[in-house]
Amino acid sequence: QSALTQPPSASGSPGQSVTISCTGTSSDVGGYNYVFWFQQHPGKAPKLIIYDVNKRPSGVPDHFSGSKSGNTASLTVSGLQAEDEADYYCTSYAGNKWVFGGGTKLTVL
Amino acid sequence: EVKLVESGGGLVQPGGSLRVSCVASGFTFSVYWMHWVRQAPGKGLVWVSRIQSDGSITNYADSVKGRFTISRDNAKNTLYLQMNSLRAEDSAVYYCAGGYYSNYGMDVWGQGTTVTVSS
Repeated sequence: QSALTQPPSASGSPGQSVTISCTGTSSDVGGYNYVFWFQQHPGKAPKLIIYDVNKRPSGVPDHFSGSKSGNTASLTVSGLQAEDEADYYCTSYAGNKWVFGGGTKLTVL
Repeated sequence: EVKLVESGGGLVQPGGSLRVSCVASGFTFSVYWMHWVRQAPGKGLVWVSRIQSDGSITNYADSVKGRFTISRDNAKNTLYLQMNSLRAEDSAVYYCAGGYYSNYGMDVWGQGTTVTVSS
């Protein structure tokens, strides 16, 4: 059982927007602005797409965005593209440790 | 190019030991926190351990505490994970990851090395 709760699946058609939630507690997501999001394609290593709740690393398209409200962080993928189909994981600092969500499989219909 | 390359994975018997390594290049390894994260086949990502830039602070997931030891050699740009008393449930792809944009997070990742614990 993962420390952070993500929906197991999400889907949308090309061009639509999808939001993936990541729910924790005041000891992790709610207590720190250290929420990261990763994209993982099958057989590949995870890739950072959002750090510190809402910052995008260089080279990550701006149709990825992050936010947080209370104990829940969210990743929004706007203007869905076929290449966005992948697994998405959130993680949060939790005081001398990091905790992950169980992952969300995003399907582009 | 920022790069992390893991090595040292393999097949080990339950109760055995293994050390995996991660060599960094393309960035100033010695200023960043580094992490190990594992992923069992078909499962999600699980944080294992982290080490501060100078090696003075280390933290572990409860599932590996007392069995695994993280260390680093900044002169060699290398991160290590010594794994003892291995169990079947430790079987996974082990990724090293380090800060680059954030200094403390899992910003850049290696390609992973596979550890299989089986008799």
